[in-house]
Amino acid sequence: GAVVSQHPSWVICKSGTSVKIECRSLDFQATTMFWYRQFPKQSLMLMATSNEGSKATYEQGVEKDKFLINHASLTLSTLTVTSAHPEDSSFYICSARVLGGRAGDTQYFGPGTRLTVL
Amino acid sequence: GDSVTQMEGPVTLSEEAFLTINCTYTATGYPSLFWYVQYPGEGLQLLLKATKADDKGSNKGFEATYRKETTSFHLEKGSVQVSDSAVYFCALNAGNNRKLIWGLGTSLAVNP
Repeated sequence: GAVVSQHPSWVICKSGTSVKIECRSLDFQATTMFWYRQFPKQSLMLMATSNEGSKATYEQGVEKDKFLINHASLTLSTLTVTSAHPEDSSFYICSARVLGGRAGDTQYFGPGTRLTVL
Repeated sequence: GDSVTQMEGPVTLSEEAFLTINCTYTATGYPSLFWYVQYPGEGLQLLLKATKADDKGSNKGFEATYRKETTSFHLEKGSVQVSDSAVYFCALNAGNNRKLIWGLGTSLAVNP
């Protein structure tokens, strides 16, 4: 149980285009999903917290107009990188917090999406 | 604020060696503590967790005990294998929104 999928697993795009990444909880409902960015050989950087049915909460320094997050249902959150540039190239990871039980106890992670902007 | 400190890597061991990766934390309240593992080319996987003091999390031969008196959650394994080569992250969740606070990760390489 508690499987999270991401699609696509990798994407290469031209500078200036937009890229959408999907995060799905396959066998549970998640009122809260998180989006992270991971740079090579570094820890995860939390970008935003996505709550179903409401606006995402962005961490300081993360441009909300560049990284659009939509959490349309209890099993799906999307991250759209708008007008991507080479510096946006990174490994993007989502996680979902299990609904119910002790709030926030465990996050389950997707396999990540490797974005390369040429 | 809340924080997690992990020992720096990389850690290189021979197969069947004993592993310890230190993790200490600072937090207000009573956080839950986690170890996540990231194998090469893969996403993060929850390895083990502990939700209160003196709890021991265990999985795949790895163990970690929540020590409130020393604010530690050290990861141990008695005999490592080549397949354990990965990056290990210590994390806690705390605060009203229960965000995960991450350590920087420790890279482990196990040689045959």
